[in-house]
Amino acid sequence: DAGITQSPRHKVTETGTPVTLRCHQTENHRYMYWYRQDPGHGLRLIHYSYGVKDTDKGEVSDGYSVSRSKTEDFLLTLESATSSQTSVYFCAISASGKGGYTFGSGTRLTVV
Amino acid sequence: DQQVKQNSPSLSVQEGRISILNCDYTNSMFDYFLWYKKYPAEGPTFLISISSIKDKNEDGRFTVFLNKSAKHLSLHIVPSQPGDSAVYFCAASVMSNDMRFGAGTRLTVKP
Repeated sequence: DAGITQSPRHKVTETGTPVTLRCHQTENHRYMYWYRQDPGHGLRLIHYSYGVKDTDKGEVSDGYSVSRSKTEDFLLTLESATSSQTSVYFCAISASGKGGYTFGSGTRLTVV
Repeated sequence: DQQVKQNSPSLSVQEGRISILNCDYTNSMFDYFLWYKKYPAEGPTFLISISSIKDKNEDGRFTVFLNKSAKHLSLHIVPSQPGDSAVYFCAASVMSNDMRFGAGTRLTVKP
């Protein structure tokens, strides 16, 4: 299996609190992505990275920030969690930016 | 706006028969199309892809067809097996990292 892990797998947090999700890869891939999956919407891109310290916004980036200080780690931060951010979050990696991505197993986040 | 649409939320077929999953898109600039398969509590897994310069790509039991004039692609699974039961996502991109996904179709293959 491709080396991509997400942590935590499940998290419940309160509205207004900061939350950080971690994605770790051992494949040395250049591209890393954060998606959220919601019923009726499929997967929507939040942010992506094309190298260390190089990131860009996706389709639904409001309320989220990211950081990539090392090739292997891509962090997604919700500065002040809201109930609308309750979702399943997936990290993905890609060597070339095209072709099929490899996804992690997901983090189920519940904001109460 | 949803640029990639899967209008059938679910599909049920008998084992051994053909499964046909459909996908429509609105952005004529998309040049690469993919299908992913997802089991519960797991991440999506890449299944098959097709470039816009082709109209068909085959990989074992899986074939993807692309009709650019109709902005439509489909995934054929022949023969369908119970292990194919999963949610299938269609995706498309424009030579960039902004890959757009459809809402998914849940396929159930009955023994």
